[in-house]
Amino acid sequence: NFMLTQPHSVSESPGKTVTISCTRSSGSIASNYVQWYQQRPGSSPTTVIYEDNQRPSGVPDRFSGSIDSSSNSASLTISGLKTEDEADYYCQSYDSSSYWVFGGGTKLTVL
Amino acid sequence: QVQLVQSGAEVKKPGASVKVSCKASGYTFTGYYMHWVRQAPGQGLEWMGWINPNSGGTNYAQKFQGRVTMTRDTSISTAYMELSRLRSDDTAVYYCAREVERQLAYWGQGTLVTVSS
Repeated sequence: NFMLTQPHSVSESPGKTVTISCTRSSGSIASNYVQWYQQRPGSSPTTVIYEDNQRPSGVPDRFSGSIDSSSNSASLTISGLKTEDEADYYCQSYDSSSYWVFGGGTKLTVL
Repeated sequence: QVQLVQSGAEVKKPGASVKVSCKASGYTFTGYYMHWVRQAPGQGLEWMGWINPNSGGTNYAQKFQGRVTMTRDTSISTAYMELSRLRSDDTAVYYCAREVERQLAYWGQGTLVTVSS
């Protein structure tokens, strides 16, 4: 099985842009879709990006996703940061055997 | 609207088993895979496996193989996750989540399972 590695934490000021990376340890990042979930304290996770770069309805276009085959990683970018974006973010993907994997999570602080 | 309502908190002793339920409503239960994900206190999300409610087929994470059993009762639109031989490090919030196009689009409220002697 593969692993997804995320930075433990990132911080940025309101109005700025932040990018969270998610690196796949083995197998191509492009071979299986990557999803991103937001989890606020005490709440269940919600999807902010699915299928690498698709936004569910209701998620603002300040959230965007991408993949980079050269670094075998996916990225979540949040622009125009708001204090309400402060949360934990998890990437998730799967393999050909339908085993799913979550990244370790990144705590975003908006200060 | 889609709702996943899980059973209440449990306290178990080491070595015991726990069975968490997840009652689905607002959609065709057999039409979508159901996943189980857990989160230990202060830790990240950990995928445990999925069940196909239509066929009953399952796929478990290697870490839990031999200890986890996922089942369903289609007559009451409910999925179950049973974890056996509990240890203290199984203390966690356990979530059910419905898959839609390779994303977990709907989540239950979570069930806290505490393992303590």
